[in-house]
Amino acid sequence: KQEVTQIPAALSVPEGENLVLNCSFTDSAIYNLQWFRQDPGKGLTSLLLIQSSQREQTSGRLNASLDKSSGRSTLYIAASQPGDSATYLCAVRGATNKLIFGTGTLLAVQP
Amino acid sequence: DAGITQSPRHKVTETGTPVTLRCHQTENHRYMYWYRQDPGHGLRLIHYSYGVKDTDKGEVSDGYSVSRSKTEDFLLTLESATSSQTSVYFCAISEGRGDLTDTQYFGPGTRLTVL
Repeated sequence: KQEVTQIPAALSVPEGENLVLNCSFTDSAIYNLQWFRQDPGKGLTSLLLIQSSQREQTSGRLNASLDKSSGRSTLYIAASQPGDSATYLCAVRGATNKLIFGTGTLLAVQP
Repeated sequence: DAGITQSPRHKVTETGTPVTLRCHQTENHRYMYWYRQDPGHGLRLIHYSYGVKDTDKGEVSDGYSVSRSKTEDFLLTLESATSSQTSVYFCAISEGRGDLTDTQYFGPGTRLTVL
């Protein structure tokens, strides 16, 4: 059974700092991995999707990497801003359209 | 933003009563999903649909049923609500293209409290 873990559960950084969020999964037979953002009381917004054949994806200040063989992904946020404060979730997709989610990292960027 | 609405947005009910949550989409996407989100568990799939009248169970389907009579609507029913079903419920949709770039788009959520 696929299990997805995110460490740390919470992170607080000063504005301007570069930071890395971690996601690990137990079954390397994935089709893709997605990173989502969730603001308090809101739904999820997709940030980046990495296909299993890819090593990384970039969107603006965000860069996500995938090492399928070791079961790891990282989300790198450059020059963090208070507006980046949110919960970040990673999810892996196996052979079906089902996503398995991690429990998230709560990020606070202090002004 | 993908056109997904959920109703109601908040509901308080009593143990043993039936509850129906509605998800409505304007994107004509093939797949629709119901998740619940609880502290320490992340999002877990309850049921999903891959077409009108085509549904399947997810990870935590016990105590829930679903129906999809139209492409745009996906209903989640708790036949007899229990306190363990207190949660935030999210609906999601995806095109179902069958390729590896197919992403899911989420609704705003429904907060359900069962007393």
